[in-house]
Amino acid sequence: ETVMTQSPTTLSVSPGERATLSCRASQTISAKLAWYQQIPGQAPRLLMYGASTRATGIPARFSGSGSGTEFTLTISSLQPEDFAVYYCQQYDSWPITFGQGTRLDIK
Amino acid sequence: QVQLVESGGGVMQPGESLELSCAASGFGFSTYGMHWVRQAPGKGLEWVACVSYDGTKQHYADSVQGRFTASRDNFKKMLYLHMGSLRVEDTAFYFCAKDGPPYSGTYPDHWGHGTLVTVSS
Repeated sequence: ETVMTQSPTTLSVSPGERATLSCRASQTISAKLAWYQQIPGQAPRLLMYGASTRATGIPARFSGSGSGTEFTLTISSLQPEDFAVYYCQQYDSWPITFGQGTRLDIK
Repeated sequence: QVQLVESGGGVMQPGESLELSCAASGFGFSTYGMHWVRQAPGKGLEWVACVSYDGTKQHYADSVQGRFTASRDNFKKMLYLHMGSLRVEDTAFYFCAKDGPPYSGTYPDHWGHGTLVTVSS
């Protein structure tokens, strides 16, 4: 099983600033990585797939990078609606696995 | 637009069985793999199972392998999760989700709102 580890667990950032979230895979997954955003009480929303391709309707302030085992999600200028929990997910091999999540808080 | 509506959650005792359903609409159901993903209250996401677009292949998380069975009815546009030998640790919101690309099993791109399963003695 590929273990996904996200860091940090919690990130406090001010609106308008940049946020950088990390995700590490325990073995190489090529670029088979997706990112999700979850607002408490809501279903997750797909942000990114293929490590760097934005899903339909996702604003350009969200960007993804990385391949192999190290990945990054960057939010360039945080908006109030961006404060949520973010998960990475690998789909290179079964079983599919998620990271434990990074909570993005308002500073 | 894509709509996924889960049903069937409830309060169960350890060892019991339960079947969840997911009604799909707004897309070509028979051409997409479908996932079940769960989330214990206040915890992170845990992928549970995936059924191929034609229902011939299933993949499961180790934590449910041998106890849960995912299936689908493409004529009815329904996804199912039969949960057997329930454990307290199966308590979670269960989400039905559509796979992104057709004819594959990769990343969910649309999710239902979830149904809550509580297992307690």
